[in-house]
Amino acid sequence: QVQLVESGGGVVRPGGSLRLSCAASGFTFSNYGMHWVRQAPGKGLEWVAFSQYDGRNTFYGDSVKGRFTISRDNSKNTLYLQLNSLRDEDAAVYYCAREDVDFDCWGQGTLVTVSS
Amino acid sequence: QAGLTQPPSVSKGLRQTATLTCTGNTNNVGNQGATWLQQHQGHPPKLVSYRNNNRPSGISERFSASRSGNTASLTITGLQPEDEADYYCTAWDNSLRGWVFGGGTKLTVL
Repeated sequence: QVQLVESGGGVVRPGGSLRLSCAASGFTFSNYGMHWVRQAPGKGLEWVAFSQYDGRNTFYGDSVKGRFTISRDNSKNTLYLQLNSLRDEDAAVYYCAREDVDFDCWGQGTLVTVSS
Repeated sequence: QAGLTQPPSVSKGLRQTATLTCTGNTNNVGNQGATWLQQHQGHPPKLVSYRNNNRPSGISERFSASRSGNTASLTITGLQPEDEADYYCTAWDNSLRGWVFGGGTKLTVL
């Protein structure tokens, strides 16, 4: 079955960096666009970034543009999100989601805590 | 990124019908329609409707979606206790070149 497993979350200081991973299985990863979506504690969902199936085209939310980078390695069935210049407001659970018919499958998420 | 507008909460009785709304503009909801996600506390979101009234396999026929102009709606008939959750709408925005989300509606089944 389709499975997405995020990892790489943790505690990081403001201004620090982190790289999140999303390991995909159960489908042909290289055929699908992929999203990162985050959710701050007790808050709603916020779209972060999208990578087309081949990684050639990427899109970002305004709040992370220039600081976060989405990438993928189709040979490893893995999606990445590089988080740089982290701020307090970046603290959230980060989910990866598949784009087949709009966010059709989601991982369990990985928690990023920003604290000094 | 300007978001979509959803009412913060809706409360309905067991076996009643709830209609959740999501208002955007001509660049997002009014152009390509909305997708709806259901999220139970402590769990990741789950797709319940995409591009207006398309239901993924496994989603109950009690869930139906529609759109009128810049407003999308998700209607849930015969409310069950398991329908109590947060519901989010989302849509691609042609102007922002990205996806926008609504703030979410907490549905309470009394």
